[in-house]
Amino acid sequence: DIQMTQSPSFLSASLGDRVTITCRASQSLGSYLNWYQQKPGKAPKLLIYAASRLESGVPSRFSGSESGTDFTLTISSLQADDFATYYCQQSHSMSYSFGQGTKLEI
Amino acid sequence: EVQLVQSGAELKKPGESLKISCSGSGYNFGSYWIIWVRQMPGKGPEWMGIIYPGDSDTRYNPSFEGQVIISADKSIGTAYLQWSSLKASDTAIYYCARRFATKTMDYFDHWGQGTPVTVAS
Repeated sequence: DIQMTQSPSFLSASLGDRVTITCRASQSLGSYLNWYQQKPGKAPKLLIYAASRLESGVPSRFSGSESGTDFTLTISSLQADDFATYYCQQSHSMSYSFGQGTKLEI
Repeated sequence: EVQLVQSGAELKKPGESLKISCSGSGYNFGSYWIIWVRQMPGKGPEWMGIIYPGDSDTRYNPSFEGQVIISADKSIGTAYLQWSSLKASDTAIYYCARRFATKTMDYFDHWGQGTPVTVAS
């Protein structure tokens, strides 16, 4: 099984900050890595797919990158609507797993 | 507009059976895999299994195989997740989501609203 190690678990930040969340895979994924945002009581929402492609309708302040087995989600300038929990998710060989989540708080 | 609508919240007793549903609209339901995901209170999502409604090809996460049954009826655009004997540890929110996949990408682009399941005596 592929393990996803996401860090940090909690992140305290302010409006306008640039924040970075990282996910490390236990083996090579190619670019089969996606990022989701989840707010309390809501379903996850796709932000980034294939490591760096922005889902339609998602603000351009969100971006994703990869370096080997390390993947990064960056929010360039935090807005009030961005305070939520973020999950990475890998899709290697139709065996899926999610990271443990990063709760982004003010 | 693509939509996945799930059945409502359930309160059950240990040992009872349950079948929850996920109805898709706005696209060809039979042509996209549907995944079921468990999210326990305060925890991250876990994939349980995935089904292709076109031919009912189903793959399970080994952690859930034998514990649940996933099925689908493409004629009515609905996928199902069922338990024969619930346990308190099945208390969670269950989501369905549509899989979009090509040779270079594989992700879940549309999600149901979630079905909360509470199992308590």
